[in-house]
Amino acid sequence: NAGVTQTPKFRVLKTGQSMTLLCAQDMNHEYMYWYRQDPGMGLRLIHYSVGEGTTAKGEVPDGYNVSRLKKQNFLLGLESAAPSQTSVYFCASSPLTQTANTEAFFGQGTRLTVV
Amino acid sequence: GENVEQHPSTLSVQEGDSAVIKCTYSDSASNYFPWYKQELGKRPQLIIDIRSNVGEKKDQRIAVTLNKTAKHFSLHITETQPEDSAVYFCAANKADRGSTLGRLYFGRGTQLTVWP
Repeated sequence: NAGVTQTPKFRVLKTGQSMTLLCAQDMNHEYMYWYRQDPGMGLRLIHYSVGEGTTAKGEVPDGYNVSRLKKQNFLLGLESAAPSQTSVYFCASSPLTQTANTEAFFGQGTRLTVV
Repeated sequence: GENVEQHPSTLSVQEGDSAVIKCTYSDSASNYFPWYKQELGKRPQLIIDIRSNVGEKKDQRIAVTLNKTAKHFSLHITETQPEDSAVYFCAANKADRGSTLGRLYFGRGTQLTVWP
């Protein structure tokens, strides 16, 4: 009963380095999302996907790219990390249902520090 | 889009007292309003939700009310306990099937502290 799993849980990057965060869900959900959480700012949507092969920008997409090649996986990439991208990143997924119940299930989070 | 505002940002109460967190939303098409609880170092988890065809919903010590006309909804926690201490997020969603906006817009969160 894994739900939503994020890899890695912690990471420290130097400015300019690149990395990819992996999100995997085993609930066959159509929607997947990447959020960042900063103190006092709540959860802000970076990118999201409404299905395999489709992605869309959220509220704060600059500096990030995403891909959803398989329905169960949603990757978040940072091409050239900046200190402003220091944050806790959460992946989430939700189903598309007849009753429009869009409860989102969250991963455990990735704490990223860019120095 | 949708703009969700949440107040207060911090709330301290004595154990046994009630706590109320309020949210407003901007888009009258939003029709699903969940509340998430995030304990320190943990992931957000759904605690209660309400749909736009319902005015109030209760689940033991927690309740949510919705006023569609005024576009605001509130979380009420009665008989608070120290384990209720967490960050609470409200959210709004335009959950129309087939819409690309099957996503949640979150408030900025309320840090609730319950003192024993």
